[in-house]
Amino acid sequence: DGGITQSPKYLFRKEGQNVTLSCEQNLNHDAMYWYRQDPGQGLRLIYYSQIVNDFQKGDIAEGYSVSREKKESFPLTVTSAQKNPTAFYLCASSTDLATQYFGPGTRLTVL
Amino acid sequence: AQSVSQHNHHVILSEAASLELGCNYSYGGTVNLFWYVQYPGQHLQLLLKYFSGDPLVKGIKGFEAEFIKSKFSFNLRKPSVQWSDTAEYFCAVILMNRDDKIIFGKGTRLHILP
Repeated sequence: DGGITQSPKYLFRKEGQNVTLSCEQNLNHDAMYWYRQDPGQGLRLIYYSQIVNDFQKGDIAEGYSVSREKKESFPLTVTSAQKNPTAFYLCASSTDLATQYFGPGTRLTVL
Repeated sequence: AQSVSQHNHHVILSEAASLELGCNYSYGGTVNLFWYVQYPGQHLQLLLKYFSGDPLVKGIKGFEAEFIKSKFSFNLRKPSVQWSDTAEYFCAVILMNRDDKIIFGKGTRLHILP
């Protein structure tokens, strides 16, 4: 089965801790994306990567970091610098500028 | 700044009613346009897209959208909605030649009464 997997589905973290969200795809897509979805805010782009070993900041990159060492993987780290990290995080992938395929999401709650 | 506006945040309709969800964007260049849908408890998925050609595009489940370049609009329509259309709908725009940036609207929650 081809697709995008995100783990874990639910994640809890204490204030001041960094946490890494996993995103893996076996669709052979070059581009991968991280979004944050908040009620009434739609999807806001955090980071995106169009090719391995390269990534760009989206609209709300502050307090987040990413890496793209492999085509299949695009992990997102939510750092303690992110002021309001509780949210639903969505990963997506696509071939160049075409349709985006989304993962099931990770709901992060900061306690 | 470039933006995507979805005019209706929450829409409630009865089954068999006609639907039109508005989407406008602010960018004078070439765009790729999308509507995505998120059914309760499911992944976001593509409903339809426009890249070029016929400005009236048809998607899955009887949805269609019309690109009107002069109005910077890409409204989603369905002539007769069903209870199963209850979902959140997102309009998205890729700004070509502008770092190929993708921008999503804030979404419209559609609730269909049985």
